[in-house]
Amino acid sequence: DVKVTQSSRYLVKRTGEKVFLECVQDMDHENMFWYRQDPGLGLRLIYFSYDVKMKEKGDIPEGYSVSREKKERFSLILESASTNQTSMYLCASSQGGGLRSPLHFGNGTRLTVT
Amino acid sequence: GENVEQHPSTLSVQEGDSAVIKCTYSDSASNYFPWYKQELGKRPQLIIDIRSNVGEKKDQRIAVTLNKTAKHFSLHITETQPEDSAVYFCAASSSTGNQFYFGTGTSLTVIP
Repeated sequence: DVKVTQSSRYLVKRTGEKVFLECVQDMDHENMFWYRQDPGLGLRLIYFSYDVKMKEKGDIPEGYSVSREKKERFSLILESASTNQTSMYLCASSQGGGLRSPLHFGNGTRLTVT
Repeated sequence: GENVEQHPSTLSVQEGDSAVIKCTYSDSASNYFPWYKQELGKRPQLIIDIRSNVGEKKDQRIAVTLNKTAKHFSLHITETQPEDSAVYFCAASSSTGNQFYFGTGTSLTVIP
């Protein structure tokens, strides 16, 4: 069974802090994703990566950056946290190679910026 | 890019009744459509998916139908049970299969 692990379940940070959200998957998946989940807005894609050191912007990349130095790890970085980045963050992975394969999600990180 | 719309946003049914959730998509090149169920406080989990070369797929009480011409797909849950209560998300993949676009979710409540 695919396991996607997010390092923190809950985080509380102050405005202006640099925040790192870590995600690790154990199924050798090529694709990894960061989504943000807000009530009434569904899941919105922040960034995704289809290979090591590769990244693509999603729908809402402003204020975020990502890092993928190893295949199994995909990090989301908030350079200077703001209150409007308070949200649930979901990491996901899927097989690549053009396969139509589903996403496997982590448990999420609920980030509060005060 | 792709735009996925999902209706209704909330749905309440009596236990044993059927529930139907509908989604439309805009990009005719999309060819893979998964459905996810998210229980309160848990991760979204795949419950069923359909590829564009298939019109319908069933898995016990759950079925998904796809109309490529009209660009819409639907989730059907029969004989609903209280444990079906959750938020359901539809999604459509990009033509490359590397990106997914989600609907805004349907909160289903099954009343015992």
